[in-house]
Amino acid sequence: SAVISQKPSRDICQRGTSLTIQCQVDSQVTMMFWYRQQPGQSLTLIATANQGSEATYESGFVIDKFPISRPNLTFSTLTVSNMSPEDSSIYLCSTRDPGANVLTFGAGSRLTVL
Amino acid sequence: GIQVEQSPPDLILQEGANSTLRCNFSDSVNNLQWFHQNPWGQLINLFYIPSGTKQNGRLSATTVATERYSLLYISSSQTTDSGVYFCAVETSGTYKYIFGTGTRLKVLA
Repeated sequence: SAVISQKPSRDICQRGTSLTIQCQVDSQVTMMFWYRQQPGQSLTLIATANQGSEATYESGFVIDKFPISRPNLTFSTLTVSNMSPEDSSIYLCSTRDPGANVLTFGAGSRLTVL
Repeated sequence: GIQVEQSPPDLILQEGANSTLRCNFSDSVNNLQWFHQNPWGQLINLFYIPSGTKQNGRLSATTVATERYSLLYISSSQTTDSGVYFCAVETSGTYKYIFGTGTRLKVLA
């Protein structure tokens, strides 16, 4: 299965700032997904990022707050904009292996907003 | 949208005990996976099991798609089994997985 590297692994940020999370996959994948996990909660899908097209956002998530780039088949970024303490979460990048239905995750980026 | 409920929400076991975790979903699904999230937050894929039964060591899983549930069995639990267990389902044509509510497991030595 694909190996996914995310960075930063963790960060502490100030209210009102923005942070970009990078996701690198060791093989070419069509579909990449960004999830958010708030403290003590399950995972919620933020958006689906396909190369060459705009990301598709889930209900409750908007591009102005969570802009996503997908410049090629192995890389994506998620920016958390104008952060508030409510954005303190683990943000996870995932992919579906080509030709398979199995979802694989990176180690996640743990953000704390003060 | 589809609802995915897991039970129990919390479970405490003594080392060596067995347990059954349940995942109920409200609509037909194409795919289903079980994950273990360790205390460091890493999600590990345990099973891809849209139907039928699979076993991997002390763990096994069964999905009865027609009745809209899946079960994860943990036998002879160990302290390293502690963490949160999630099921995730994909409905037809969506290509995205929706996660269940999770079961938080603590295994005591």
